[in-house]
Amino acid sequence: QSALTQPASVSGSPGQSITISCTGTSSDVGSYNLVSWYRHHPGKAPKLMIYEGSKRPSGVSTRFSGSKSGNTASLTISGLQAEDEADYYCCSYAGRSTFVFGGGTKLTVL
Amino acid sequence: EVQLVESGGGLVQPGGSLRLSCSASGFTFSSYTMHWVRQAPGKGLEYVSAISNEGYTFYADSVKGRFTISRDNSKNTLYLQMSSLRPEDTAMYYCVKGDDDYGDYAFAYWGQGTLVTVSS
Repeated sequence: QSALTQPASVSGSPGQSITISCTGTSSDVGSYNLVSWYRHHPGKAPKLMIYEGSKRPSGVSTRFSGSKSGNTASLTISGLQAEDEADYYCCSYAGRSTFVFGGGTKLTVL
Repeated sequence: EVQLVESGGGLVQPGGSLRLSCSASGFTFSSYTMHWVRQAPGKGLEYVSAISNEGYTFYADSVKGRFTISRDNSKNTLYLQMSSLRPEDTAMYYCVKGDDDYGDYAFAYWGQGTLVTVSS
């Protein structure tokens, strides 16, 4: 199972919006509406930010939103804040009890 | 409050073995599928293994035949027995579970991780 494809890095200024893409195949992202997104600050445990493609867990800011089109899922962060600076990973269910993660995207808030 | 605390990591030589443990609390451990996810230095997250509440197991191709996942519901503990370790197994290993509210396909709770280093 190959990793999902994410851009290595994205950046934006405070207040701006950014979008991180996550491209898979018809066997994972394209087949299931089961993409999740995680924020990972180095040295800490990853945090679930989006599940089932577009749903936000309790306590996650409405500035975070998710979507999917075909084999590509996307995470959009609006109103960028300094605290958003972190690594972001997508993950998709790929059938037969397996999951596949993206390679991760480093978000820099300028 | 859900807590997952990993232990057992350390330095091991190539070809060696190590057993990781994950002590769970704050939920009915026996009712949930539990997972292991790892992150090699400078790399992304990688799904490693899972065990269902009924004992069904899954392994990524990269560890199949070398790693064994198990659980002791009486001790609320998840294990990962790792053998024939390779330098590419060097990683932080996280114990992970889902949540009733977010379904079985999202990882809502993560431990802090335990570091495994495979080197001579």
